[in-house]
Order: sequence, then structure tokens, then C-alpha cells
Amino acid sequence: DTAVSQTPKYLVTQMGNDKSIKCEQNLGHDTMYWYKQDSKKFLKIMFSYNNKELIINETVPNRFSPKSPDKAHLNLHINSLELGDSAVYFCASSHRDRAGQPQHFGDGTRLSIL
Amino acid sequence: AQSVTQPDIHITVSEGASLELRCNYSYGATPYLFWYVQSPGQGLQLLLKYFSGDTLVQGIKGFEAEFKRSQSSFNLRKPSVHWSDAAEYLCAVGAGIGNEKLTFGTGTRLTIIP
Repeated sequence: DTAVSQTPKYLVTQMGNDKSIKCEQNLGHDTMYWYKQDSKKFLKIMFSYNNKELIINETVPNRFSPKSPDKAHLNLHINSLELGDSAVYFCASSHRDRAGQPQHFGDGTRLSIL
Repeated sequence: AQSVTQPDIHITVSEGASLELRCNYSYGATPYLFWYVQSPGQGLQLLLKYFSGDTLVQGIKGFEAEFKRSQSSFNLRKPSVHWSDAAEYLCAVGAGIGNEKLTFGTGTRLTIIP
């Protein structure tokens, strides 16, 4: 019973290509997130959706476009991939309306740009 | 804006020895604080959290943490480490309605020697 699942686990592609990462949660949470973890293991929020509405949009290039078709899914599409996009991307989910509730993370998608 | 500092990038301890990992935060109000553990190639697993009440919180795998408002700290401790505790440990502070603004420290890598 995977709580937050991401696909694919690994993604190797050429510079300039377009790729998507998918995320699904079966925890009944109302909020989902995308994080980027760089080579130094620093984890930083990119986007957050609450009930399909975008609530956090950090300073991320507009080549990155999140989409949330419903509360249980949050996808990340990346256009024109660059070398600097190489990282591990984590999806997470939580209950936004419950104080102190932690975010639950997926296992990550390791993106490598050649 | 909130921030988290983990002063120790890498710590090495002997199996069976005690452990303390440091975390200092900056936040204008009462913080929500979390410790996550990340094993190689894995996602983040929640160890414990603090958002109110008793300042000494117990978590999974025998870990505990103490919230000290006067020192803006939330240090993680374990009385006796096991080889399986080798991992990356991430401290985070939450803000916003439901902690959707989760800010992580840079992490501490823990190595266990026999």
C-alpha cells in the first residue's frame, strides 16, 4: 500500500527534451507538493496545490508546469530540459486544514540530463 | 521568512554510542518542527514532529527531540545508535495554514562505524 507514489523512479534524457513526472497519493490528503533536491541534498519547495488550486509557486522557471487533475494526483511537466534540471524530484502530500500535520513524501524521481 | 540551520554536515559515531543532531530555526511565531530521515535512494520518512504541548517529543526508531524556544533549537537524540541508522537527517520548520510552507535545513549525514 504505497501512500505517495511517483513514476518514473529514474528518468534519463537529452537536453532540450520535454518530460513528465506523475504523482499519486492514496492518503485522502487535500494538498500536494513538488520539491527539488539538488546534488548537495538541499530540498526546496517548488509548487503546492490545495484541492486542485495552486497555492505555492516559488521562483521556478516557467518551463516547469504542474497540473493537478484531482486531489489525488499532481503531475510535473518540464519543457526544454537543461543540464541544471538534473536533480531528484519529490512529491509530497498532507492535510492542509489540520494543524501540525506532516507532509508525506514519495520515493523521488531521479532526473538525469545528458 | 523562516529558515533552518543544521550546523553539522557529516557526523560519524560508533555503533551503540549516543547521538545528538543539531537543528536551529528562525521563525516569528510558534513553529511546527519536523525531523525526517532519508536513506540512500529512498524518500523521506517522518521521525517525529512538534507543534504544541510537551517540549520533549518521542518518535519512531527510538529517536526523541527537544524543543527549546529560548535557544530556537530542536535537536534530535538517540541514546544508542544502530548500524541501520546511517542515513541523511533533515530538520524542517513549517509555516502557513497547514504547514504548506515547509523549509528544510541542508541535512546531516550520519555514518555509523562498527
